[in-house]
Amino acid sequence: QKEVEQNSGPLSVPEGAIASLNCTYSDRGSQSFFWYRQYSGKSPELIMSIYSNGDKEDGRFTAQLNKASQYVSLLIRDSQPSDSATYLCAVRGSARQLTFGSGTQLTVLP
Amino acid sequence: GAVVSQHPSWVICKSGTSVKIECRSLDFQATTMFWYRQFPKQSLMLMATSNEGSKATYEQGVEKDKFLINHASLTLSTLTVTSAHPEDSSFYICSSGGAAYQETQYFGPGTRLLVL
Repeated sequence: QKEVEQNSGPLSVPEGAIASLNCTYSDRGSQSFFWYRQYSGKSPELIMSIYSNGDKEDGRFTAQLNKASQYVSLLIRDSQPSDSATYLCAVRGSARQLTFGSGTQLTVLP
Repeated sequence: GAVVSQHPSWVICKSGTSVKIECRSLDFQATTMFWYRQFPKQSLMLMATSNEGSKATYEQGVEKDKFLINHASLTLSTLTVTSAHPEDSSFYICSSGGAAYQETQYFGPGTRLLVL
């Protein structure tokens, strides 16, 4: 079983729609959760971090965390073509290292 | 957020040569830096954790004698790929910070290595 799993892509949504990205993790001791966006040929850039159960909103982005279900998600509202990228879920477990999921490629269609 | 730089951004070398990649934290002191490798269409894989003033910790399957890491100061870590071969061609990314709870890891821009 992979330590961090993301829903398989690619994911395509029309411009203006909500994009939903999901991630599950296996280490119950995990304390910190991150969503990174990676454009082709570039390094990852941080979108959101979340540490407590519930929702965290930042502009068009909302991260949701459910530690009991070992589940973290990212919602992107009013999706724009510039949001087209690979989204990486990362989890910091008890070993204090980041473990990344395989990524979900998102395409926002104009 | 914190700024991390890498140099060079691109390197092409012949098989058998060694390549050094530098990672610098520009606006804070980093006792810990991380080195990742990313092959095309794959996610980031942690190679090693670089600790200032001590030996790096390598992930399982990563050859410590091939990927030499030096973290001599609080702002600089280097990764040297020794006797590089075509299968070492990859995107190497360093990051700084993030060793503590709620501390964010910031990534450098990456170094693309092509071994001919």
